[in-house]
Amino acid sequence: DARVTQTPRDKVTEMGQEVTMRCQPILGHNTVFWYRQTMMQGLELLAYFRNRAPLDDSGMPKDRFSAEMPDATLATLKIQPSEPRDSAVYFCASAAQRSRISPLHFGNGTRLTVT
Amino acid sequence: KNQVEQSPQSLIILEGKNCTLQCNYTVSPFSNLRWYKQDTGRGPVSLTIMTFSENTKSNGRYTATLDADTKQSSLHITASQLSDSASYICVVSANSNYQLIWGAGTKLIIKP
Repeated sequence: DARVTQTPRDKVTEMGQEVTMRCQPILGHNTVFWYRQTMMQGLELLAYFRNRAPLDDSGMPKDRFSAEMPDATLATLKIQPSEPRDSAVYFCASAAQRSRISPLHFGNGTRLTVT
Repeated sequence: KNQVEQSPQSLIILEGKNCTLQCNYTVSPFSNLRWYKQDTGRGPVSLTIMTFSENTKSNGRYTATLDADTKQSSLHITASQLSDSASYICVVSANSNYQLIWGAGTKLIIKP
């Protein structure tokens, strides 16, 4: 079964430190999403890429978050500097953009705790 | 404002019983409605996707319905199993694959 792979699975860090989360989308999928999930807010879209180009990153705090796709097999989400309010589960998802109704395939997330 | 509301917030039923989860939305324009299952500690998994013209879609013991006139959807689970314990999230697409409006989910617990 093809799946989206995210690393690390868990990350505990101190406030002010840089955090990098990685995602390997399903081979052949040309759209990649970054979501954040908290108990209070549910799933929030942070960024969206199609064919490696960022199409929408309006959900990200621009001063500290950045998202990139160095190549088709890797997407990264960086937080610098991290803050306790960034504690959440970060999900990457990919989709094959053959139509407007292709399902999103999610990884199992990176659980980030900032102390 | 585009919104997706789900009810109940949580539900506990006995193994083998049926249940129905509800989703009401105020999303315009409307492209499609999706149901996802999210196990604890895992990412959401797609169950069904329905477009405007589809009233019912099944995936095994899961059956989703859509009434685009009243802007309501339901997810019916038949003969529940312990593995059905999860959060079920209703998602409405506002005319593109990434403009997804996510509901808060219904947490379902199946007891033996």
